[in-house]
Amino acid sequence: AQSVTQLGSHVSVSEGALVLLRCNYSSSVPPYLFWYVQYPNQGLQLLLKYTSAATLVKGINGFEAEFKKSETSFHLTKPSAHMSDAAEYFCAVTFNTGNQFYFGTGTSLTVIP
Amino acid sequence: KAGVTQTPRYLIKTRGQQVTLSCSPISGHRSVSWYQQTPGQGLQFLFEYFSETQRNKGNFPGRFSGRQFSNSRSEMNVSTLELGDSALYLCASTGTSSFVEQFFGPGTRLTVL
Repeated sequence: AQSVTQLGSHVSVSEGALVLLRCNYSSSVPPYLFWYVQYPNQGLQLLLKYTSAATLVKGINGFEAEFKKSETSFHLTKPSAHMSDAAEYFCAVTFNTGNQFYFGTGTSLTVIP
Repeated sequence: KAGVTQTPRYLIKTRGQQVTLSCSPISGHRSVSWYQQTPGQGLQFLFEYFSETQRNKGNFPGRFSGRQFSNSRSEMNVSTLELGDSALYLCASTGTSSFVEQFFGPGTRLTVL
């Protein structure tokens, strides 16, 4: 079975601190992995994606994620949190077979001034 | 290119009624997926349409149905509404390139009273 798990439904960091949001996947075939961000009352916006090219992926707003096959992980990081980063973050996986996406349950990020 | 549009943005219905939500994908995209998002359940996959055919289906009762038109616009219908159907309904479209990310609309907020 294919799925994705996000550890920590709520994460709080101080402004300027490192942001680390965790995502682990389970898959029997090579995955495509994504991080999306959702601001209140809005849809999901793509932050970055892994599509089997470079394992370190850089996205928008200073975020990046590293695909680690040995750990089946795709954690999202940002060196220095900004107040505007406060949002809900979703990890997702697909396998390009019929296009069904599997989403994690989301991590709500709070940035403390 | 215009993004994914969803109408209406907000909807209030009463139990037992039915509702139809509309989604217009990005021009040229042929795949449309629907999700239900609630605070307790996160993002739940409803179904996905590609070229007017349902290609994938989530685990929802038959009260939830959808269709896709020849111009790729999609509608979803919920009959006999229940209080638990109150949610944000998100639509996402996908192109046919090798990068398979989903592009999300802003959602329709459905409230069932």
